[in-house]
Amino acid sequence: ETGVTQTPRHLVMGMTNKKSLKCEQHLGHNAMYWYKQSAKKPLELMFVYSLEERVENNSVPSRFSPECPNSSHLFLHLHTLQPEDSALYLCASSPNENKNIQYFGAGTRLSVL
Amino acid sequence: AQSVAQPEDQVNVAEGNPLTVKCTYSVSGNPYLFWYVQYPNRGLQFLLKYITGDNLVKGSYGFEAEFNKSQTSFHLKKPSALVSDSALYFCAVTPRRDNFNKFYFGSGTKLNVKP
Repeated sequence: ETGVTQTPRHLVMGMTNKKSLKCEQHLGHNAMYWYKQSAKKPLELMFVYSLEERVENNSVPSRFSPECPNSSHLFLHLHTLQPEDSALYLCASSPNENKNIQYFGAGTRLSVL
Repeated sequence: AQSVAQPEDQVNVAEGNPLTVKCTYSVSGNPYLFWYVQYPNRGLQFLLKYITGDNLVKGSYGFEAEFNKSQTSFHLKKPSALVSDSALYFCAVTPRRDNFNKFYFGSGTKLNVKP
């Protein structure tokens, strides 16, 4: 266990649905990240939150909406997704200082029908 | 553009033989370099990192990596592979100038170690 928990582990949704992914860490970290993992492609950094402020938005479509209500929780709200959004979505956290490793959750496997 | 290349989608090696998983990068400045491993149905786990100093870095589970500045490479190595090393390996770099850990990851290399 890495100390980063993601729920749900699997999610199937239609293109008109609205759903949310949840990430929780109790490691005392103050930076949190969302990544998209697709087969044979580099991990794509989507969003970075530092001290509950969004510091990075990597040109992610607006159908993905992150929320960081506190330093322990991170959400990714999904609406009107496309089939090409099907992927493994990984959450990670780290202490805010540079050089530090990231701790990853097991991911949510998302399928968009 | 910043990028990390892992030229091999898959590496096959027999148990007991040495293994190498390749990584090259194109990131400005002198970045920090990392290797992560992903087992099935799990998130990425940290293996080792290079910050400064000795070019040969030792990490978890007997893995090591060699930093080569002139070739901008950071290849992962292990002298004797185990079947349990079979997993997906990711190389990652983060620029030194960033105030937070913005990582650039490679596409991953699947390591298959056969008995």
